[in-house]
Amino acid sequence: NAGVTQTPKFQVLKTGQSMTLQCAQDMNHEYMSWYRQDPGMGLRLIHYSVGAGITDQGEVPNGYNVSRSTTEDFPLRLLSAAPSQTSVYFCASRGPQNEQYFGPGTRLTVT
Amino acid sequence: SQELEQSPQSLIVQEGKNLTINCTSSKTLYGLYWYKQKYGEGLIFLMMLQKGGEEKSHEKITAKLDEKKQQSSLHITASQPSHAGIYLCGAAVSGTYKYIFGTGTRLKVLA
Repeated sequence: NAGVTQTPKFQVLKTGQSMTLQCAQDMNHEYMSWYRQDPGMGLRLIHYSVGAGITDQGEVPNGYNVSRSTTEDFPLRLLSAAPSQTSVYFCASRGPQNEQYFGPGTRLTVT
Repeated sequence: SQELEQSPQSLIVQEGKNLTINCTSSKTLYGLYWYKQKYGEGLIFLMMLQKGGEEKSHEKITAKLDEKKQQSSLHITASQPSHAGIYLCGAAVSGTYKYIFGTGTRLKVLA
């Protein structure tokens, strides 16, 4: 099992550009989520999905969109990048006992 | 809303020393999860505690959940440089799909 994979690992964007962070899991987990991690702020939930076709907002959803067309994939779209979105982004899937499995992260810089 | 507070925020210990990290919840925990994050990487699930008084061990790391299920401790025996990283506790919020994390404890082990 590859677990949870994320691409790209690093990305630099200019203000106003859009992009999609990819996330995939091969554990057949229904629940997936996106977090951002910032110094002093800990992990904050952006969006989550409880199954294909079902998504919902987390704590900090503004400026981000998600979709879940398959169980495996859960991409995160930045609509118009802003410097405040500079962060490390983690995708995670949740196992049967609510334990979470994280991807390696995407380090995003917006200039 | 439920919150998780970790202490200490950071810890520097000499190799071979024992240490304890605490995680305190503002509400009763129905499951407490410990994760480790190596610098620049994703979080790795360590162990889960569900029952009051429960204790689990993995190699030299032992985690306990107190009887009232509002505090958990993570104890490392004879620390090694490989134990260095950020330790986070997490909990699923009862009645929701949401998950919360503590702010983390940064551990450095000096060789």
